[in-house]
Amino acid sequence: GENVEQHPSTLSVQEGDSAVIKCTYSDSASNYFPWYKQELGKRPQLIIDIRSNVGEKKDQRIAVTLNKTAKHFSLHITETQPEDSAVYFCAAKGYRAGSYQLTFGKGTKLSVIP
Amino acid sequence: DAGVIQSPRHEVTEMGQEVTLRCKPISGHDYLFWYRQTMMRGLELLIYFNNNVPIDDSGMPEDRFSAKMPNASFSTLKIQPSEPRDSAVYFCATRGGSREDGYTFGSGTRLTVV
Repeated sequence: GENVEQHPSTLSVQEGDSAVIKCTYSDSASNYFPWYKQELGKRPQLIIDIRSNVGEKKDQRIAVTLNKTAKHFSLHITETQPEDSAVYFCAAKGYRAGSYQLTFGKGTKLSVIP
Repeated sequence: DAGVIQSPRHEVTEMGQEVTLRCKPISGHDYLFWYRQTMMRGLELLIYFNNNVPIDDSGMPEDRFSAKMPNASFSTLKIQPSEPRDSAVYFCATRGGSREDGYTFGSGTRLTVV
């Protein structure tokens, strides 16, 4: 089945700086890579996703890049703000028990220091 | 749509007691997933259903855990008997058919077993 590794586990940046979170996956057949943001005490929420036929996708201050050859994808947050502080999870859609399902990374706790 | 609805939001119970967590999926979403989240293990998939049928329960930690989905509008996760190590946040998530890749999470149930 799919295996997703996420780094770093914690990340602290100064407000206004950029933050980068990286994930690798094992199943070359995986074709969908979402990112979820989980604020303290709340549910994970989808913030951006990318499919395997695209190399990069942007939405305002966040962007995702995908390198299918190397089997890794990254989340980039520019001009970070205190409200970006949260745990971020990457995921890959891989084959499991007869259908394609998401496998999640362990999460990155991002702290933006004002 | 009210989204994925979980109840209760918080549950405190004594060791040995039975605990039942509930989930109402988004109407029309035919996949339902139960996750457990802890600091140590992150998001763990316990079991998932497709069209009310359990597909993969390999993540269920032991026989004390059971899950049902009697109809398209309702699912339960039961722990009997509960133990302190079951303390975690339990999330229910759903998604639509094969073209719908993203998961929508419920607000979660924070379970504390004392």
